[in-house]
This record gives sequence, C-alpha cells and structure tokens, in this order.
Amino acid sequence: EPEVTQTPSHQVTQMGQEVILRCVPISNHLYFYWYRQILGQKVEFLVSFYNNEISEKSEIFDDQFSVERPDGSNFTLKIRSTKLEDSAMYFCASSEVFTTSTDTQYFGPGTRLTVL
Amino acid sequence: SQQGEEDPQALSIQEGENATMNCSYKTSINNLQWYRQNSGRGLVHLILIRSNEREKHSGRLRVTLDTSKKSSSLLITASRAADTASYFCATEAKGTDKLIFGTGTRLQVFP
Repeated sequence: EPEVTQTPSHQVTQMGQEVILRCVPISNHLYFYWYRQILGQKVEFLVSFYNNEISEKSEIFDDQFSVERPDGSNFTLKIRSTKLEDSAMYFCASSEVFTTSTDTQYFGPGTRLTVL
Repeated sequence: SQQGEEDPQALSIQEGENATMNCSYKTSINNLQWYRQNSGRGLVHLILIRSNEREKHSGRLRVTLDTSKKSSSLLITASRAADTASYFCATEAKGTDKLIFGTGTRLQVFP
C-alpha cells in the first residue's frame, strides 16, 4: 500500500541553524501538508501546498518557514533559523483532490526535530 | 475556544469491552477524520465521515456524526490490547483544506 515517507526520522540541530525536513508524498496525490506536534500537545496545521504554491498557512508558519517541491516526488519544509520552541514532531501529509473538497489526509511517520 | 475536543481524555478498559470516544467541534465541516497514534509515532488514518453522512463502519470501528450537535463518536468494539493508543478526531472545516485536531483520547486496553 502506498505511503508517505519522511526523512530523517530524527534531526538534532543547534539553535540558529537551518534545517530541511524531507517528505515523499503518495505518488498520485496533489495536495501536500505539514503539521507539527509539540510533545504532549495537539497536532497543529502549518501549511498546505497545491499546484506548486501555498494554499493555506497558519500563524505559526512565519517567514522562518518555507516549503518547496523541488522535483516531481519530494516536498520539503525548511526552517531558516531554528529556535528552541521549534522542537517538535513534524508530520507531512498528502491527499487526493476531489471535485468539491480534499479528502483523506495520509500522514508520514514524522521527523522528530530537537533544537539545542 | 477550541475546535475538536475529545472526551474522555483517558479511558481504561479490559480486552473484549467496547470503547467509545467522543469529539465535539465548532464550525461547519466538509468531513471529520479519526486517527490513531501510538506513543511517539505517526498518525494512522482510521476512518473519514463526510458532513452528509451519519454513520460509517470499518471493521470493528463505528463512527457517527451529528452535524446539528457538532459532535462525532468513535466506537471500537471487542477491544484488544493492541488497540492501546491515542485517538484523535480532526475536522476539515468548510472553505479550508487544513485539518484541525482535537486533544485526543488516550485508550488503554488491559489484557
């Protein structure tokens, strides 16, 4: 069964460093998402991406964050200058597009980001 | 106020019993999705119910949706120890494509 994959599974970085989290969505999906979950808290939406542009973003997704689909398979999240509070599990998700709404969002296993 | 609040926050049952988890939300939705998360792991999609549906089944799972009360329930029948996990509801509000997650119910099933 097709699945969303993410690399790395765990990333440790120093505060102020740039990190790039990578995702390979399910191949026939057209909508891509990033969410994060700070330890012990809710899963929070960061950004959605469709047709090579950001569809929607949350207040969390400030200028320090960017997303890119550099080729036909990868979807990346870049954090330019990491802060301690960016430590979280980051989930990538993808979905097909139906005529009136998006549909089931399939999540990857997550990348645990630890900022020291 | 929060979109997507589950109750109970925690539930402990014996194997073979049924587990019911409830979710409330605040806005009009396209659909509501239930996910499962084992400790520190990824989110596994369980079931999606659209706003025009009232009930849906998948194996031992039964989901109901009451849009007039803005609530949903997830029933797991004949629970197993392997069902031990956190369960989240997530709503896709009308006019948006993002999911808003609830706080989750931690289910513990004792063998």
